[in-house]
Amino acid sequence: AQSVAQPEDQVNVAEGNPLTVKCTYSVSGNPYLFWYVQYPNRGLQFLLKYITGDNLVKGSYGFEAEFNKSQTSFHLKKPSALVSDSALYFCAAEPRTGANNLFFGTGTRLTVIP
Amino acid sequence: SAVISQKPSRDICQRGTSLTIQCQVDSQVTMMFWYRQQPGQSLTLIATANQGSEATYESGFVIDKFPISRPNLTFSTLTVSNMSPEDSSIYLCSGAGGPSYEQYFGPGTRLTVT
Repeated sequence: AQSVAQPEDQVNVAEGNPLTVKCTYSVSGNPYLFWYVQYPNRGLQFLLKYITGDNLVKGSYGFEAEFNKSQTSFHLKKPSALVSDSALYFCAAEPRTGANNLFFGTGTRLTVIP
Repeated sequence: SAVISQKPSRDICQRGTSLTIQCQVDSQVTMMFWYRQQPGQSLTLIATANQGSEATYESGFVIDKFPISRPNLTFSTLTVSNMSPEDSSIYLCSGAGGPSYEQYFGPGTRLTVT
């Protein structure tokens, strides 16, 4: 079965420190990979995606993600966390089948402590 | 990018009744999708809304329970039929330009069935 795993339900980090939110996937055929963020009472917002090429992808709000094919991982990172980064983060994978459907991870709640 | 709106934003319904949720995109999109997000949980794809033809449903979801329409490239509806308390959830629609394109999500419809 196709799946995306986010092993940490909760990540706490101090403001100004680097943050990492982990994601691994088990989706066949070199999927496209995405990160989305959800703020309270709002829909999901796209952060970044990996299609091909450079393993380090840069996205919105200073976030970046590192693709590692051998480890089937796509971890989200930011060099210096802001309190406003506190939100729920979802990793997602889309098989390269043309169907455009996403498999979502279970989400990681990031709390940045002032 | 695309801006997606949903109506209603929330509703409380009695069991056995049906609710139709509307999704409007401000520009034409190739693909539209409907997801369910139970409180504190990840997103589960219900179906892909196909313009001018029957929706494509994921395993565990059927047309009789979740009929979907998509009369054009900017509008879709999802009906939750014969509701039970287990249908209480947030329902989100999304749109995308096609495979590998990021999906843009509506703010969601929070449904409570009593």
